[in-house]
Amino acid sequence: GNSVTQMEGPVTLSEEAFLTINCTYTATGYPSLFWYVQYPGEGLQLLLKATKADDKGSNKGFEATYRKETTSFHLEKGSVQVSDSAVYFCALSGDYGGSQGNLIFGKGTKLSVKP
Amino acid sequence: NAGVTQTPKFRILKIGQSMTLQCTQDMNHNYMYWYRQDPGMGLKLIYYSVGAGITDKGEVPNGYNVSRSTTEDFPLRLELAAPSQTSVYFCASSYRVGSLGNEQFFGPGTRLTVL
Repeated sequence: GNSVTQMEGPVTLSEEAFLTINCTYTATGYPSLFWYVQYPGEGLQLLLKATKADDKGSNKGFEATYRKETTSFHLEKGSVQVSDSAVYFCALSGDYGGSQGNLIFGKGTKLSVKP
Repeated sequence: NAGVTQTPKFRILKIGQSMTLQCTQDMNHNYMYWYRQDPGMGLKLIYYSVGAGITDKGEVPNGYNVSRSTTEDFPLRLELAAPSQTSVYFCASSYRVGSLGNEQFFGPGTRLTVL
């Protein structure tokens, strides 16, 4: 079935360090891919998305490129800030049988950025 | 716009009690979803709705019921609470299906503990 695998956390970085959070997926068809962010005590917010192969989603300095050949959607940021500390979820959605528009989530990666 | 609102924020139930988690959205979205988030796990879909009067089961529906009498409201009912239902519950809505890359908007969550 469809699934999302993302790197285990927690990830601890110093401010201004480079961030990569790996995400790979298994899906039939052509899913859309998403990164959501969850700040402490809050609901999830969409960070960025890509709807087809080779699309690059970007927002707030974060980027991710939809790689169909490697079934990946890795999240990157060149210089993290303390305010980026949160849990990051990779997710996919597509026109497969079952729940319409349902998102399949990875387990989440907790990022802590130290000053 | 308030977006997606959920009540209550926190609740403690005894085994066998029942309760309703409320969810309201003011964005005129057709699609609404209920997820649960367990520690260290991604979100799992409980139920979803594609419009008023139409609901369907997600991945983990056992022990829950929903109704959708209006576009705005999508309450989740727990009839006989069990410790396995201790979780954080998120309601979400979207305008169209996620396969078109449309964003799901999440509420702030309800933290439920069953003792």
